[in-house]
Amino acid sequence: KAGVTQTPRYLIKTRGQQVTLSCSPISGHRSVSWYQQTPGQGLQFLFEYFSETQRNKGNFPGRFSGRQFSNSRSEMNVSTLELGDSALYLCASSWRGRRGGTEAFFGQGTRLTVV
Amino acid sequence: AQRVTQPEKLLSVFKGAPVELKCNYSYSGSPELFWYVQYSRQRLQLLLRHISRESIKGFTADLNKGETSFHLKKPFAQEEDSAMYYCALSGSDRGSTLGRLYFGRGTQLTVWP
Repeated sequence: KAGVTQTPRYLIKTRGQQVTLSCSPISGHRSVSWYQQTPGQGLQFLFEYFSETQRNKGNFPGRFSGRQFSNSRSEMNVSTLELGDSALYLCASSWRGRRGGTEAFFGQGTRLTVV
Repeated sequence: AQRVTQPEKLLSVFKGAPVELKCNYSYSGSPELFWYVQYSRQRLQLLLRHISRESIKGFTADLNKGETSFHLKKPFAQEEDSAMYYCALSGSDRGSTLGRLYFGRGTQLTVWP
């Protein structure tokens, strides 16, 4: 079973540009979440999608947006990039079993550097 | 407000010594608690969750609702246990989705030979 795949692995962008990151969840997983990881703030929740609908949203400005497609693949977009957006962006797919157990599987992340 | 606190940023022990990584949380409902581990150059992966009450790689964690803690323990640490450990809390209403995960800042465990 293939794991969560994030593309690209590395990105370098300049301030003011926009960027789109992609995440392919594990087959059968309908929930996809995005996290920003930085040395200063740790792991911060961005948003969660389930069946193409945003279910939860973290405390990030509107420049951060996302969407999910019918095949559960998800994209995250950051517009008007700032230096502070430099981070590792992690995607996680998850499922919830009938007995309520849950598990999130993480991708290897996309390292975004804004210069 | 939901919060996960890992008081130790760094923790070092010698091989064969017991290890305990502390995790405290605050949450108004009934949370799901998890421990995630990130080995060097590897992706973040689930180590264990409180609902399963299982032992993985010799690690156990018990949810103490009175003390709002979910400490991770291992009686005899091994060098391969060296990694970054994150405690996480899910505030899901146990619907269809996992919901938002609240992570602690992580504890870097180093096990010396």
